[in-house]
Amino acid sequence: EVQLVESGGGLVQPGGSLRLSCAASGFTFSSSPNWMCWVRQAPGKGPEWLANIKPDGSVKYYVDSVKGRFTISRDNAKNSLYLQMNSLRGEDTAVYYCARESSGRSLDYWGQGSLVTVSS
Amino acid sequence: QSALTQPASVSGSPGQSITISCTGTSSDVGGYDYVSWYQQHPDKAPKLIIYDVNNRPSGVSNRFSGSKSGNTASLTISGLQAEDEADYYCGSFASSSTLVVFGGGTKLTVL
Repeated sequence: EVQLVESGGGLVQPGGSLRLSCAASGFTFSSSPNWMCWVRQAPGKGPEWLANIKPDGSVKYYVDSVKGRFTISRDNAKNSLYLQMNSLRGEDTAVYYCARESSGRSLDYWGQGSLVTVSS
Repeated sequence: QSALTQPASVSGSPGQSITISCTGTSSDVGGYDYVSWYQQHPDKAPKLIIYDVNNRPSGVSNRFSGSKSGNTASLTISGLQAEDEADYYCGSFASSSTLVVFGGGTKLTVL
């Protein structure tokens, strides 16, 4: 059974940093075509895709709103995905999900989500 | 503001059918057969119910079906059941650095 479990969320002040982790199990994390991504969802809003990373970590894409502030990475030896978030702003407040990308960039498995609140 | 446009709400009675639309542009919905649909119950993660316009993942009821015409995709739920009451989001591959775009969501109420 595929499982994705996020951790690392919490309350952070504007301008601060936070690192989210996602532990994957139930599938061969490092093998093609298992691109992984991060998606966030602000309260009452639709999901927003943030970034994704190729199985070997060599290619990454980001949405413009987080480019230069967020960094996606993965450790295939630990079956883990990460999102380093710097220079956080109030509008970054959301539930953050890790997800596995599948055919046509559909997201076939999602974690339970990790709440990030940016507030002073 | 979401990239894809969905109606804010739809409703139907048990046993009826409803359709939710999702309108994009030629750079996303209209340009590729890579539209997906997600069901989200309160305080739960989204669940994939349709991918590549009209394909269902294993285990998803055949009461859910998808289609596309031009820049608009549609999700149809037939034989509405109480458990179908949820928020529904469309997603699409996009030819930009934002590889995946979503709609703002449609709240389905089963009367």
